[in-house]
Amino acid sequence: DAKTTQPPSMDCAEGRAANLPCNHSTISGNEYVYWYRQIHSQGPQYIIHGLKNNETNEMASLIITEDRKSSTLILPHATLRDTAVYYCIVRVANYGGATNKLIFGTGTLLAVQP
Amino acid sequence: DAGITQSPRHKVTETGTPVTLRCHQTENHRYMYWYRQDPGHGLRLIHYSYGVKDTDKGEVSDGYSVSRSKTEDFLLTLESATSSQTSVYFCAISGGSFSYNEQFFGPGTRLTVL
Repeated sequence: DAKTTQPPSMDCAEGRAANLPCNHSTISGNEYVYWYRQIHSQGPQYIIHGLKNNETNEMASLIITEDRKSSTLILPHATLRDTAVYYCIVRVANYGGATNKLIFGTGTLLAVQP
Repeated sequence: DAGITQSPRHKVTETGTPVTLRCHQTENHRYMYWYRQDPGHGLRLIHYSYGVKDTDKGEVSDGYSVSRSKTEDFLLTLESATSSQTSVYFCAISGGSFSYNEQFFGPGTRLTVL
């Protein structure tokens, strides 16, 4: 699986959009970009994933560059409850095979400020 | 709520004693995972299971064994606990009625080995 690079920490004002970057320059054609987050002392939570098209769900939007070497997770209106460590993970999508593993890095600590 | 529980939630034990952590799910998910989380390392995969009696090693499997004799339970055993195994342990599940591409995490078990 390709390696990802994220800034160790970021701040965001409450109510503003939080834009979390991720570099994955060695991503291969069949690898997806996944985002998880971990609020303090809790288990990680799935947010979103995508291959090459931009994706949006009720939690966030995922913007993947055309060359797929980087992506941005967007939380449109950050709240204090969005303070967490955000993990960007690159992995081949699983459709029932035996290699459904996630390799977590150290992520980005997003601190939403009041 | 993906119906995943871990027990115990907290445990203090002494070096050299055996310890078993239990992960229980109620959703008939095919895949189950054990991770550990330590400061500065993010989450690291210990072992995973892709079916009853089907398990495989993760990136930090030394000193750990697992068993899955029925779909709903995945046990992690430390045969002889060491202080380096002091950590927070998370169980995760995927597949079943949910997407194979999402992993749902349990609340974690905080283990202290004195």
